[in-house]
Amino acid sequence: GEEVAQTPKHLVRGEGQKAKLYCAPIKGHSYVFWYQQVLKNEFKFLISFQNENVFDETGMPKERFSAKCLPNSPCSLEIQATKLEDSAVYFCASSPQPMYGFSYEQYFGPGTRLTVT
Amino acid sequence: KQEVTQIPAALSVPEGENLVLNCSFTDSAIYNLQWFRQDPGKGLTSLLLIQSSQREQTSGRLNASLDKSSGRSTLYIAASQPGDSATYLCAVSWYTDKLIFGTGTRLQVFP
Repeated sequence: GEEVAQTPKHLVRGEGQKAKLYCAPIKGHSYVFWYQQVLKNEFKFLISFQNENVFDETGMPKERFSAKCLPNSPCSLEIQATKLEDSAVYFCASSPQPMYGFSYEQYFGPGTRLTVT
Repeated sequence: KQEVTQIPAALSVPEGENLVLNCSFTDSAIYNLQWFRQDPGKGLTSLLLIQSSQREQTSGRLNASLDKSSGRSTLYIAASQPGDSATYLCAVSWYTDKLIFGTGTRLQVFP
């Protein structure tokens, strides 16, 4: 598709429950990024993939967060045992493969709003 | 630590004014810089991408400049309109393409 798609739009989970978010990148884009937006405009990078391989996971709270990008499937971000502090909007972005030192824009999806109660 | 700062945090102007939004960043060895707008409750819309080798980019009424040596970028909006009201975010990539975001400038353009 021509847009990054994210599902669901809203997700409500009780504290301790699992949450799973999905992202379909733009067709042909080889990079996928996950970001977390909390409290107005505080964006935090979580993880990026180059095709199905983890490219950078320096932002991931590894004890409860995991992510995958498998061939022919939407990418996913899973949070085990959610906490109140995980309440945020989670954005997925994709971009084409950089070539000859020329980098491309990241295109963002509409986000998934996770509310942990 | 690599950080991005945006000034002002909020701006309210009458329609028709030309305005400048500022973004500053630590560490001049950037890969690229991207400007976004975010409407309330919505995702991010990419406005302009400036490569590290470029000094400016233009799109319609928008012009973004980059001065790596001073760690600054500015977004110039000409002849502002009420439809320009949104939060404007500056984001910098140093390597691995992950974006570090500023906290944004909330712009209101009133008729």
